[in-house]
Amino acid sequence: DIVMTQSPDSLAVSLGERATINCKSSQSVLYSSNNKNYLAWYQQRPGQPPKLLIYWASARESGVPDRFSGSGSGTDFTLTISSLQAEDVAVYYCQQYYSTPYTFGQGTKLEIK
Amino acid sequence: QVQLQESGPGLVKPPGTLSLTCVVSGGSINSDNWWTWVRQPPGMGLEWIGEIYHTGSTSYNPSLKSRVTISVDKSRNRISLNLSSVTAADTAVYYCVRREFRDRGGRGYWGQGTLVTVSS
Repeated sequence: DIVMTQSPDSLAVSLGERATINCKSSQSVLYSSNNKNYLAWYQQRPGQPPKLLIYWASARESGVPDRFSGSGSGTDFTLTISSLQAEDVAVYYCQQYYSTPYTFGQGTKLEIK
Repeated sequence: QVQLQESGPGLVKPPGTLSLTCVVSGGSINSDNWWTWVRQPPGMGLEWIGEIYHTGSTSYNPSLKSRVTISVDKSRNRISLNLSSVTAADTAVYYCVRREFRDRGGRGYWGQGTLVTVSS
């Protein structure tokens, strides 16, 4: 299985400041045939199902605010929130869909400082 | 707008079988998507259980494979999850997820989930 490790486990950021969450996979999730990284980011607010933010490591889902961005390739990935808003308080998960079982990171809890 | 609705018993006694259904509305289960089950124990992270394509092709998490069956009912536009020999460790919110083909993005869209408690 591919192990996904997120850092940090929790993060407190002031409103309007940048938040950065990292995700590392135990093996590359870059599919060489199409040069796509099979890596997604999800946001889960309390009591809600996960919501897709980013797919293919850096493609923003339709309707997701542009303050959310994804970057990275191979085994190292980052989710950045450029200017934290109150509604961004949530747990964030990365998931690889390169090989089954499609594993998730342990989650990063983002709070307001 | 494709929507997913999970349903099933909220309480299952060990060592029984957990059986859930996910009804797909606003779209066909015969579309080019994988239909996935993911679970989340209370206060914990996400675990991928397995998925099925409308042809019946399946993929399961090896950690659960001996106990899991995912099936598709095309006539009712729904998928089902059966998990046998349950214990308290299977207590979780169970989500149904529609996942695109990876070369089209692999995007996942989730139902609201249903909480299943395993307790005698």
